[in-house]
Amino acid sequence: EAGVTQSPTHLIKTRGQQATLRCSPISGHTSVYWYQQALGLGLQFLLWYDEGEERNRGNFPPRFSGRQFPNYSSELNVNALELEDSALYLCAPGTGTSNYGYTFGSGTRLTVV
Amino acid sequence: AQSVAQPEDQVNVAEGNPLTVKCTYSVSGNPYLFWYVQYPNRGLQFLLKYITGDNLVKGSYGFEAEFNKSQTSFHLKKPSALVSDSALYFCAVRDAFTGGGNKLTFGTGTQLKVEL
Repeated sequence: EAGVTQSPTHLIKTRGQQATLRCSPISGHTSVYWYQQALGLGLQFLLWYDEGEERNRGNFPPRFSGRQFPNYSSELNVNALELEDSALYLCAPGTGTSNYGYTFGSGTRLTVV
Repeated sequence: AQSVAQPEDQVNVAEGNPLTVKCTYSVSGNPYLFWYVQYPNRGLQFLLKYITGDNLVKGSYGFEAEFNKSQTSFHLKKPSALVSDSALYFCAVRDAFTGGGNKLTFGTGTQLKVEL
């Protein structure tokens, strides 16, 4: 996972709270992709940011949002947490319109109680 | 939309034996296919990809994959398994967004267990 850092490693929140997850700047990569790995649901595309703009999102409700900063780092925010939001959230770098062939970050394990 | 299927939830193999982790795909157009590995409490590590060219793709850690267009398969292989290969393996396909850009669509994963 060289070059891709996610924080925090683990996060425990109560239902209804908000969670903020971070993905570090990746030199030379202008895009960030977020994926959710939930038990029983596999890996699902969540959000794609490029050059500071949200370019596409997966089949997730609006309470999943994020942003990308001028240094290309990114935040994922999950509002009004629900128990089923418990999952491993992974980010990956990209260049332009693609993120394939890259190694993902180690992820943030979000647990909602 | 593009999709991949991993028909086996778990594969068991003895150390030193060859291993195969299966993946089949369903795409419109030419497929861009990938294999990733996930070790416990780690992120996804890229192993290899097929975009075009030779049907046998060589990747990291001695893994290779064979693209078979007639069988729509992209099986991951290694000639001699190691205990340290025990992990969760994901097959993925590039899936284009309407309007430009793309993402990865993953299979459900196959747990590989290599035993002494």
